[in-house]
Amino acid sequence: QQQVKQSPQSLIVQKGGISIINCAYENTAFDYFPWYQQFPGKGPALLIAIRPDVSEKKEGRFTISFNKSAKQFSLHIMDSQPGDSATYFCAASSLDTGGFKTIFGAGTRLFVKA
Amino acid sequence: DTGVSQNPRHKITKRGQNVTFRCDPISEHNRLYWYRQTLGQGPEFLTYFQNEAQLEKSRLLSDRFSAERPKGSFSTLEIQRTEQGDSAMYLCASSVRENEQFFGPGTRLTVL
Repeated sequence: QQQVKQSPQSLIVQKGGISIINCAYENTAFDYFPWYQQFPGKGPALLIAIRPDVSEKKEGRFTISFNKSAKQFSLHIMDSQPGDSATYFCAASSLDTGGFKTIFGAGTRLFVKA
Repeated sequence: DTGVSQNPRHKITKRGQNVTFRCDPISEHNRLYWYRQTLGQGPEFLTYFQNEAQLEKSRLLSDRFSAERPKGSFSTLEIQRTEQGDSAMYLCASSVRENEQFFGPGTRLTVL
């Protein structure tokens, strides 16, 4: 019940295309859903996050779509660029119980072809 | 650089040796987290400090692992009697609020 399942494992997108990464969770106590971007040799960096009281959040080229009833959320990267090539992790935590135990998905390696 | 720093960045050790890693969080952050990340996987939560108090430990943190955060500033993670299965990236993160965690670059441990 603590798992966050992420797909696909890897993704190749043409420059200018849309990258879509999906995640699903089971624990209905989760109430905070961040996405992290990780480049080789670096720690993860917070990209964008959403709480379940909204269905969509957009920041620049990055959009989170959230479906509370399906317990699914996704990251859309519009106009994907080669510099977006990285590993992306979805995650979930419960702020009501402290929020410190963040559960991460297994990651999606994105490669944007120039 | 005012981000989270971790030292050393790389550590190679022989099985059975003890190792210690250090994390220096962002200065005003009172919350500090340790994670372990293996190849091809997301970070796995190990432990959490609020100021100097260790409030949560994962089942992953066996009795060979110990973490401290004296005076609520930097933190150390020690692994005793290392095993090959301990080989991983050890990540530290800090935050001032529960949700916005800032990660360091990690310490890559290789146990031979």
